[in-house]
Order: sequence, then C-alpha cells, then structure tokens
Amino acid sequence: AQTVTQSQPEMSVQEAETVTLSCTYDTSENNYYLFWYKQPPSRQMILVIRQEAYKQQNATENRFSVNFQKAAKSFSLKISDSQLGDTAMYFCAFMKMNRDDKIIFGKGTRLHILP
Amino acid sequence: NAGVMQNPRHLVRRRGQEARLRCSPMKGHSHVYWYRQLPEEGLKFMVYLQKENIIDESGMPKERFSAEFPKEGPSILRIQQVVRGDSAAYFCASSKSGTGASSNTGELFFGEGSRLTVL
Repeated sequence: AQTVTQSQPEMSVQEAETVTLSCTYDTSENNYYLFWYKQPPSRQMILVIRQEAYKQQNATENRFSVNFQKAAKSFSLKISDSQLGDTAMYFCAFMKMNRDDKIIFGKGTRLHILP
Repeated sequence: NAGVMQNPRHLVRRRGQEARLRCSPMKGHSHVYWYRQLPEEGLKFMVYLQKENIIDESGMPKERFSAEFPKEGPSILRIQQVVRGDSAAYFCASSKSGTGASSNTGELFFGEGSRLTVL
C-alpha cells in the first residue's frame, strides 16, 4: 500500500521569504504521479503542481517548484517570494500511473504567511 | 464553464437521520471520486465511480454508506442513520477519463465540499 507522509504539521514564514514543505512517500510502483494541492480557508482543493515520476526534471509553476528525489522517495515543495495569499493547508499526494486509481493524500502542512 | 458542483454546502442532521450529498462533475467528466476530510486531517479516499459503475469502494465504511453515479444526474453519497463521527467535510472530485493510461494529466478537479454536522 502507498503512504504519504508530511512531517511538518504547521509552518510560519514572513512574506517574501522562501519556504520549503517536506513530503516523503512509500511505494513499490515505478510509474506514478506526485502532486501538491493547496486548500485555502475557502476549503476548495486547488492543484498547485504535478510531477510525473518518469521525468527527471523538477516541475516548476511560477513561484512554486519541487525537489523530486525518486530514489529517496522525497517530494518537497518550495514556494519563493511567499505571498499572504499562499496561506493555506498544503497536501502532498500520490497516484499510481497507467491504471485507474485514486489519489492518496498526506495529512497536510498548515502554512501561515506573516505580514 | 462550471466546475465540480456539490450541494448542499452545509447539512445538519440529527443522529439516526439520513444524509444525501450530491456531486455534479465537470462537463464532459464521467469519473467521480468521493473523499472525506475530518477536522485537521487530510483527505481520505472513499469511493471511485464511473457512470453506473462502482470501480473502487475500498475506502467506504462497510455499513450505512453507499454511493451511486447514475446514467443521468449527479453522483450521490448517502449516509444512513448518521452518527456524530460522520461529521466531516465530504469532497467530490471528477476527471474526464479516469486516472489511468487514458488520462494525460492524472489531475482531479475538486468541488468545494459539503460539510456535514451531526447533532
């Protein structure tokens, strides 16, 4: 069974700083997706960034980038130039590829961006 | 282009009553997933449905919970004889072609959730 672990329940950083959220996962699969989802106070789940395991290049999306270490099964999210609107719960998630399957979520990291 | 629509947004039930939560997937999407989120917890998978078929219900409690996605109309998550422990936010997500080889993104689109409170 796949598991996703986020070891930081809560973090706070000053606006404009860079912050890194940690995520590790466990799987015996070779092909899979990894995701970071954001859940602001409105509770809507929003996809932040996606990584395909077969791609060596780390995904980037504007101020958001990941550090994907497949051998270490690590998938951290870096937010550069953090903004007040980045305040939210962030969930790391895993999904097998090449067969219909569900997304498995970690327990989340609550991120506070301080003015 | 409407996203995933869930209703009601908030539902209050007394112990023993039934709760029905509805989810209309995005236009063109035929795959629906239900997740439950307890306070301060991540999302826990409950069930994955395609039109008229349950594909994976490994996360559904064995009793009192059921889900359907009929040929016409929204997907329904039904909780019979609710108990206080059922209080949670229930999220629906949809995708166009599942998350398997036929999908080129693996992305799910989420609704805003339905918050169930059991008194």
